[in-house]
Parts: sequence; structure tokens; C-alpha cells
Amino acid sequence: DIVMTQSPLSLPVTLGQPASISCRSSQSVVHSDGDTRLNWFQQRPGQSPRRLIHEVSTRDSGVPDRFSGSGSGTDFTLKISRVEAEDVGVYYCMQYTHWPHTFGQGTKLEIK
Amino acid sequence: EVQLVESGGGLVQPGGSLRLSCAASGFTFSTSWMHWIRQAPGRGLEWVANVNPDGGGKQYVDSVKGRFTVSRDNAQNSLFLQMNSLRVEDTAVYYCATNAGLNWGQGALVTVSS
Repeated sequence: DIVMTQSPLSLPVTLGQPASISCRSSQSVVHSDGDTRLNWFQQRPGQSPRRLIHEVSTRDSGVPDRFSGSGSGTDFTLKISRVEAEDVGVYYCMQYTHWPHTFGQGTKLEIK
Repeated sequence: EVQLVESGGGLVQPGGSLRLSCAASGFTFSTSWMHWIRQAPGRGLEWVANVNPDGGGKQYVDSVKGRFTVSRDNAQNSLFLQMNSLRVEDTAVYYCATNAGLNWGQGALVTVSS
């Protein structure tokens, strides 16, 4: 199985400051069709996960533009340009190039 | 608006069975891959199973192979997960989701305990 490794696992951030989460896969998640099937999810306390970014860098509908995704091959990053109170929660990367689809361990973002 | 509503969760003894359902609306269910994903209490996310649009193609994570069966009824816009030989480690909130995790239900809690 593809192992997705996130860092850090805990991310205290001051309101208005930037935040960055790294996600590394144990092997390339570039699909044979050329797409890189790497998504980012946000799970707020007590809620279901919500997809933020798909295929590395495309924001989903309604996602604020302070969220951005980047990377290629095995190394990916989720950035929040200015953290707001509503961003508190756990963030997961996920690959769906290979079966079984696998998630990172999650990064818990909290406000300092 | 896409809606996914899971039902059928509950408390079951080890070795028992449970059937989860997911009622879908707001999108063309019959052409959509569908997925089950679970989250153990206080833990991360684990992809459990998926099924292709016509129901003929199914995949399972190794830990549930031979015990869980995913199925669908396109006429009723419903997804199912039959869970047999349940273990304590299957305790989790089970979510149904559309392809690539675009939409998720609210989840159904399955507790396996004696």
C-alpha cells in the first residue's frame, strides 16, 4: 500500500499568519493517464471531511482562495496564506491513484 | 444539492453482522463510483471499499476482504455495506462518499463490543 506521511502532525498558528502542511507518498502518485490523484481534505471538529483541493492544486467550489495546493510526484504541500478561526480542524492528504486509496495521518491545526 | 444519508449503524457483538445503507440524491447516482470510508474514534480516515457505477466492479481494503460486501441499487439511488464477522477493530464512523471524496455523508457509527 502507498504510505502517505504528513508533517507536522500538530500545527499551532497565530490568526492571520500563514500555515503549511507537507505530504509525502511512498511512491509516485502519478496515474498512468498522466493525472496526479492527490487531494486535500479538511475535517472540522464534529463534522464530516470536506474536500478542499483535488488533483494537487485545483480548489473545490466554495473553498477560499487562501487555500492552495502544490507539488508533484511524491511531495505535496497545502498552504493557508492567512489562517482564520474557521480553519481549525484536521487536514488530510489522500492519494487515489493506487488501490487501496490511502490517507495521511492528519495534521491538527489549532490557533495559538 | 448533493445529499448522502447513511443509516443502519449501531451496537453489535463481535462476530455479528450489520448492514449499512446510504441514500443518495442531487446527482446522477447511476453513473457515479461510490465509496465507503471509515474513521475509528479519535483516529484518521481509512478507505474501506468502492463500487463502480454498474455494481460489477468492487474493491476492498485487505482488512475487510471476505467479511464486507459493497453493493448498490441504482433504481433506488442507494449504496450498501454488508458487514459480517465484525471485530472490535471495525468500530468506527462509516461514511459513504462520491468519487475522489467530493461529497460525504454525515456518517453512521458502528460499535463492535461485547
